[in-house]
Amino acid sequence: GESVGLHLPTLSVQEGDNSIINCAYSNSASDYFIWYKQESGKGPQFIIDIRSNMDKRQGQRVTVLLNKTVKHLSLQIAATQPGDSAVYFCAENANDYKLSFGAGTTVTVRA
Amino acid sequence: ETGVTQSPTHLIKTRGQQVTLRCSSQSGHNTVSWYQQALGQGPQFIFQYYREEENGRGNFPPRFSGLQFPNYSSELNVNALELDDSALYLCASSPQGFGNTIYFGEGSWLTVV
Repeated sequence: GESVGLHLPTLSVQEGDNSIINCAYSNSASDYFIWYKQESGKGPQFIIDIRSNMDKRQGQRVTVLLNKTVKHLSLQIAATQPGDSAVYFCAENANDYKLSFGAGTTVTVRA
Repeated sequence: ETGVTQSPTHLIKTRGQQVTLRCSSQSGHNTVSWYQQALGQGPQFIFQYYREEENGRGNFPPRFSGLQFPNYSSELNVNALELDDSALYLCASSPQGFGNTIYFGEGSWLTVV
């Protein structure tokens, strides 16, 4: 079936290093992708999005890359900070009414 | 701060009871969706409302129902609660249309005992 998945459930990063979080999707009809950050006990927080007609999009300290050929999405966080510790979800929208989420990657930043 | 507010933040119910969760969407957002997030998992789509009508539904039984009001606020109702309904219930709002940013509230934690 169609699904959105993350390659690794956990990621440990040294403070100041760059983080890369990966996501694989299988629905070739997906046109819109979003990365969310979820801290413990809180709702998902929008980080950045990208449409299928783009390969790369940059925000503040974050970059999303989309490779439609291999159905792969990644989130890069520059100079990772302790406040970046959270669960990160990729979500896809295939031109319908819902977002489909993966299971998430837990990022832990080491001081 | 997303402008999406949910209430209550936490509640405990007994199996078989009914619960109503409420959501106030961000100003100007006429589309509201509800998601269920079990512990350790990603959110699962329940349904979406637009112009006070259900606009799409995920794989949830009919005992999950909803309402949207003229001011775009929304309610999620769950009847005949089961233990597996224990989860974080998230409301998300956006302007109508594909590709618009979807913002989530902080959620309502429901525990069914």
